[in-house]
Amino acid sequence: GAGVSQTPSNKVTEKGKYVELRCDPISGHTALYWYRQSLGQGPEFLIYFQGTGAADDSGLPNDRFFAVRPEGSVSTLKIQRTERGDSAVYLCASSLTENSPLHFGNGTRLTVT
Amino acid sequence: KNQVEQSPQSLIILEGKNCTLQCNYTVSPFSNLRWYKQDTGRGPVSLTIMTFSENTKSNGRYTATLDADTKQSSLHITASQLSDSASYICVVSLKAAGNKLTFGGGTRVLVKP
Repeated sequence: GAGVSQTPSNKVTEKGKYVELRCDPISGHTALYWYRQSLGQGPEFLIYFQGTGAADDSGLPNDRFFAVRPEGSVSTLKIQRTERGDSAVYLCASSLTENSPLHFGNGTRLTVT
Repeated sequence: KNQVEQSPQSLIILEGKNCTLQCNYTVSPFSNLRWYKQDTGRGPVSLTIMTFSENTKSNGRYTATLDADTKQSSLHITASQLSDSASYICVVSLKAAGNKLTFGGGTRVLVKP
């Protein structure tokens, strides 16, 4: 498949644990985005990468959240000391350029117990 | 605060009927407006993208309209099918902000046979 791939599709973790969520964008897409979606709500912006660098990380809620994209392709969203309020679907999207249509993955459903 | 408001929150229609979803936004400065379809458990999929100079854009049985003066958009679904059951999300892009999009909360549409 040539779409955006996110793994795992579901993740259950205990409060206080560390989690990593992975995103494989469409090959050749330079822009990569992370969004968080709570039940019944629209996605909320977290962070945007252009290539390897985080061009805008203003949506990260606090310093427990961090994301990397070391080679300009795969990205990992890292959450430290998880809290129950972090439970949500984390969506990744990529686009060919900054103003091209976004292509979303199916998300990782994170549940913090 | 930039906002995107959608109405109704949900609606039920019979297969074959038409329906119209509304979107009001206060995002400024405005770059473009997008409608996405999100099936349960999947990432959003782009339906239409309109710049401020476009009044209408169609994608099959989906027709989006935009009035940039009143900051209103609508999505019209013609001859609905069972597969149209999904959430429809209005998304507004800030000018010069790339794909840092502001998402509405969505309208959940259920098409019944």
